[in-house]
Amino acid sequence: EAQVTQNPRYLITVTGKKLTVTCSQNMNHEYMSWYRQDPGLGLRQIYYSMNVEVTDKGDVPEGYKVSRKEKRNFPLILESPSPNQTSLYFCASSPSLGHSYEQYFGPGTRLTVT
Amino acid sequence: SQELEQSPQSLIVQEGKNLTINCTSSKTLYGLYWYKQKYGEGLIFLMMLQKGGEEKSHEKITAKLDEKKQQSSLHITASQPSHAGIYLCGADEGYGNKLVFGAGTILRVKS
Repeated sequence: EAQVTQNPRYLITVTGKKLTVTCSQNMNHEYMSWYRQDPGLGLRQIYYSMNVEVTDKGDVPEGYKVSRKEKRNFPLILESPSPNQTSLYFCASSPSLGHSYEQYFGPGTRLTVT
Repeated sequence: SQELEQSPQSLIVQEGKNLTINCTSSKTLYGLYWYKQKYGEGLIFLMMLQKGGEEKSHEKITAKLDEKKQQSSLHITASQPSHAGIYLCGADEGYGNKLVFGAGTILRVKS
């Protein structure tokens, strides 16, 4: 089954404790990205990657890091989480860049930072 | 950057009634996407529109993109409880590297 998977689905952590949210897709997609969703603000892009070893900042990259060592994986790293990073996070993938392609979303990771 | 405004913010309809959700952009839309989200879950792709005047339907849901490509509407005919959720419109800014999303419309269907 074609899908985007994220782990963990739920995470409660404390300020300053490094964490990683994994994202994996099995569709051989070139393009992957991370969004966060907050009430009243909709989804905002954090980082995106056009291919292996190619990443770039989205609209809200502060406090986050990403890496793209393999085509299928695009982990999101929070080196020192803070309470304002409490949010619902989505990973997405697409066959390529361009507005002709649907973006497939993962199930989401709900992160709470206390 | 592009902003997408959705209206209404929330909607409660009686089962069987029709409804319309609007998505308006400050700029020309290059690829307009409609997604549905159940609370706290992932986004389910509904439809994608690209051409001015384009209209697509899937089951009881119809989406249109106006000729100027700055406004889209999502129409649900004879709503059912299964239609309840959050509807999000997203648009490509023209560079193809991300989608900009509206804040979403919460739909509740009373049976």
